[in-house]
Amino acid sequence: GAGVSQSPRYKVAKRGQDVALRCDPISGHVSLFWYQQALGQGPEFLTYFQNEAQLDKSGLPSDRFFAERPEGSVSTLKIQRTQQEDSAVYLCASSLLEQETQYFGPGTRLLVL
Amino acid sequence: KNEVEQSPQNLTAQEGEFITINCSYSVGISALHWLQQHPGGGIVSLFMLSSGKKKHGRLIATINIQEKHSSLHITASHPRDSAVYICAVRPLTGTASKLTFGTGTRLQVTL
Repeated sequence: GAGVSQSPRYKVAKRGQDVALRCDPISGHVSLFWYQQALGQGPEFLTYFQNEAQLDKSGLPSDRFFAERPEGSVSTLKIQRTQQEDSAVYLCASSLLEQETQYFGPGTRLLVL
Repeated sequence: KNEVEQSPQNLTAQEGEFITINCSYSVGISALHWLQQHPGGGIVSLFMLSSGKKKHGRLIATINIQEKHSSLHITASHPRDSAVYICAVRPLTGTASKLTFGTGTRLQVTL
C-alpha cells in the first residue's frame, strides 16, 4: 500500500523566496505531523494536525512558517522569505490516531542559498 | 541539557557482533520510540514502548521507566543494519502529540 509521500524531494531556493512543501499522508490517517531536521541532528517538532484542525503549532520557528491541511488529508508547509537557517530536511509523518505509531515520509531537503 | 540523550553517538561494528544503543531521558513519558533512518532521510518506526521489552527479528528494545532509560539491541549485526538509530519520547506533560527526539546514533556494520 502507499505510504506517506512528500514533494518535492529536493528544493533549492534563493534567500527571500517563498517555498511550499507538500505532504500526502496515508489514507485515513487522522494525525499529521511536520518535523524539521537539521544536518546531524534529530528531528524537531514543528506542528500537528488532527484532521483539518491545527492543534499544536508551538514548534514553528517564526511567523514565516505556515502550515495547513484544509480538507484533513494533504498538508502544505509554507515558508515565506526563506533564510539560510531554514535549510534542513522537512519530514512529514502521519498516524491513524494521535498516540499511535507514526509513519514518516521520505522528507524534503531544502537548501536556501 | 537535552531531554533525550543517546550513546554512543557513533558506533562501528563487525558483522555478527551484538550491538547496544542506549537512550536516557529526563522527563516523565507515556511512550518511547526507536526509529531507524537510512541515508537519504527515510525514517522507519522500529518500536513503540511504554514498559518492559519488545522483540522483532534480530532487534530487541527494553525500557526501564523508573531509571528513565531504554536500550536497543541488535543481535548478529549485518551491514544492512547500518543506519542512524533515533530514540524519541512522548512526554507526559504538554501536548500529547509532540515527540522529543535524541540526536541519533550512527551505526556502521562492516564485513
